[in-house]
Amino acid sequence: DAKTTQPPSMDCAEGRAANLPCNHSTISGNEYVYWYRQIHSQGPQYIIHGLKNNETNEMASLIITEDRKSSTLILPHATLRDTAVYYCIVRPAGDAGNMLTFGGGTRLMVKP
Amino acid sequence: KAGVTQTPRYLIKTRGQQVTLSCSPISGHRSVSWYQQTPGQGLQFLFEYFSETQRNKGNFPGRFSGRQFSNSRSEMNVSTLELGDSALYLCASSNTGRNTIYFGEGSWLTVV
Repeated sequence: DAKTTQPPSMDCAEGRAANLPCNHSTISGNEYVYWYRQIHSQGPQYIIHGLKNNETNEMASLIITEDRKSSTLILPHATLRDTAVYYCIVRPAGDAGNMLTFGGGTRLMVKP
Repeated sequence: KAGVTQTPRYLIKTRGQQVTLSCSPISGHRSVSWYQQTPGQGLQFLFEYFSETQRNKGNFPGRFSGRQFSNSRSEMNVSTLELGDSALYLCASSNTGRNTIYFGEGSWLTVV
């Protein structure tokens, strides 16, 4: 399975954009990049996913580099409620697609 | 549309006992996966059930087992509980193919 590398922690000022990087240099051509976040003591919450094009939804934007070896999750206007651990995951293809491998994630602290 | 529902939310068991946790997936979802989250090991994949059959399995001892019913509801069982089994157990559901995986809020198990 393709592994991901994320910084263990980041800070962001409230109201500013939070840019969370992820390295997935061994990703295969048919594997998607997924982002989840986990607020303390809750289940992981789906944020966004993409294959090779940039994606945007009501929560965030996902920028994937052209070589697909890295991506950035962007929270455009971070709030205190965005404080959480953010996980970048490469989802396997085929029947193994529901076996997600979680790394340590990035602990984002949004500060007033 | 209701999300993934897990019961019970909290429970305390004694070493040597067994425990059964329940998960109701999102309506229409046929895949149910289980994960264990501990402070030391993070989020780890236990197993996945699809159409009542175990499709994928993580690296856990045989004390951990599961099953899925015809209505897609799933249960997991841990026998001969050990202190190290204390964890947040998460259930996730998805439909076939590339559909997004959604997580429940988890069941907190404490073994004393």
